[in-house]
Amino acid sequence: AQSVTQLGSHVSVSEGALVLLRCNYSSSVPPYLFWYVQYPNQGLQLLLKYTSAATLVKGINGFEAEFKKSETSFHLTKPSAHMSDAAEYFCAVTYGGATNKLIFGTGTLLAVQP
Amino acid sequence: KAGVTQTPRYLIKTRGQQVTLSCSPISGHRSVSWYQQTPGQGLQFLFEYFSETQRNKGNFPGRFSGRQFSNSRSEMNVSTLELGDSALYLCASSLDISPPKQYFGPGTRLTVT
Repeated sequence: AQSVTQLGSHVSVSEGALVLLRCNYSSSVPPYLFWYVQYPNQGLQLLLKYTSAATLVKGINGFEAEFKKSETSFHLTKPSAHMSDAAEYFCAVTYGGATNKLIFGTGTLLAVQP
Repeated sequence: KAGVTQTPRYLIKTRGQQVTLSCSPISGHRSVSWYQQTPGQGLQFLFEYFSETQRNKGNFPGRFSGRQFSNSRSEMNVSTLELGDSALYLCASSLDISPPKQYFGPGTRLTVT
């Protein structure tokens, strides 16, 4: 079955430091890949998506992610963390076709220290 | 454009009761999906509707059901509530394009006592 693995349920960085959140998918067929962010007591907001047009995808709030087929990875990065980036981040995949079903990873809670 | 709205935002029910949650998608979106979010199981897909037809269903018991109306609004129903049904229920809507870009509502927080 297709699955998504996010390494590190909790990540803590200092303000201004690099943010790296890891995501690996298991599939022989490259899926469509997404990163979502969830702030406390809110729904999910789309940060960025990979749709095979380009391997390096830029999203909102300065985040970007690189699709690496050989590593089946889609890690999320941001060069300089801001306090407002503290939230939970979810990697998700879908395989298109006649469904919009998203398969989510378990999430990574990002803490940003002053 | 108004976003996805979900009502109610918070709900407290007693074990054994039933509950109905509502989702109004973004105008023009005909695809609506439902997800359950719990600390133990994370985000899990419940079902997806498109043009009033269930297009896909997750691995949940038959107590969980849903429907979609002609105006694309959707409801989900949980009968015979169990303590484990306590969760944040999220609704997402999208245009029927590939790949989908799903817009999520703020969720309904259901607490079963």
